Amino acid sequence: GAVVSQHPSRVICKSGTSVKIECRSLDFQATTMFWYRQFPKQSLMLMATSNEGSKATYEQGVEKDKFLINHASLTLSTLTVTSAHPEDSSFYICSAHAGGGNSPLHFGNGTRLTVT
Amino acid sequence: AQSVTQLDSQVPVFEEAPVELRCNYSSSVSVYLFWYVQYPNQGLQLLLKYLSGSTLVESINGFEAEFNKSQTSFHLRKPSVHISDTAEYFCAVSKGSNTGKLIFGQGTTLQVKP
Repeated sequence: GAVVSQHPSRVICKSGTSVKIECRSLDFQATTMFWYRQFPKQSLMLMATSNEGSKATYEQGVEKDKFLINHASLTLSTLTVTSAHPEDSSFYICSAHAGGGNSPLHFGNGTRLTVT
Repeated sequence: AQSVTQLDSQVPVFEEAPVELRCNYSSSVSVYLFWYVQYPNQGLQLLLKYLSGSTLVESINGFEAEFNKSQTSFHLRKPSVHISDTAEYFCAVSKGSNTGKLIFGQGTTLQVKP
């Protein structure tokens, strides 16, 4: 079945540095990918929609200069957390459709970011 | 605007007992409804979904959910749970027709005890 791979699974970085998270669709092309953030013991919040070849669409309240999204190919979207701070520590999850709009949404296994 | 409420944050239950995880939604437009399961430190896996047609939908591992438009609910049920069903369960509704943009409930931790 369709698989979405996310890397790294865990990352620890120092405050002020930047971290890049990759999301790949392994056996299908994804013109659109979605990035979610999950705080401990809370639900997932949609951060942005990543569109291949164009700018990402950010949800209200999400800083686009803080969370840089690049969707350079049909199988790869990256999320870069710039100048990370401890409050950015969270679980970040990407997802993508394997086909049309009504096809299942496949999620990556997530990236646990800890900023010290 | 759309929202999803999962009424129970934790549901402890003994193995082989029935379980119901409650989900209510609010929306001014037609919605698509989903249940996802999340195991520790993993992404989400689709359990089942309602897009249209029969209001009772089933998963391959024995879960079922019924879309009730009048009560704006989409409760998840299983007649007999296993230890392996222990996980976090999320109810979600799509933002309009784009089923990739989901609004999630707060999640319910199902704890199955031996």
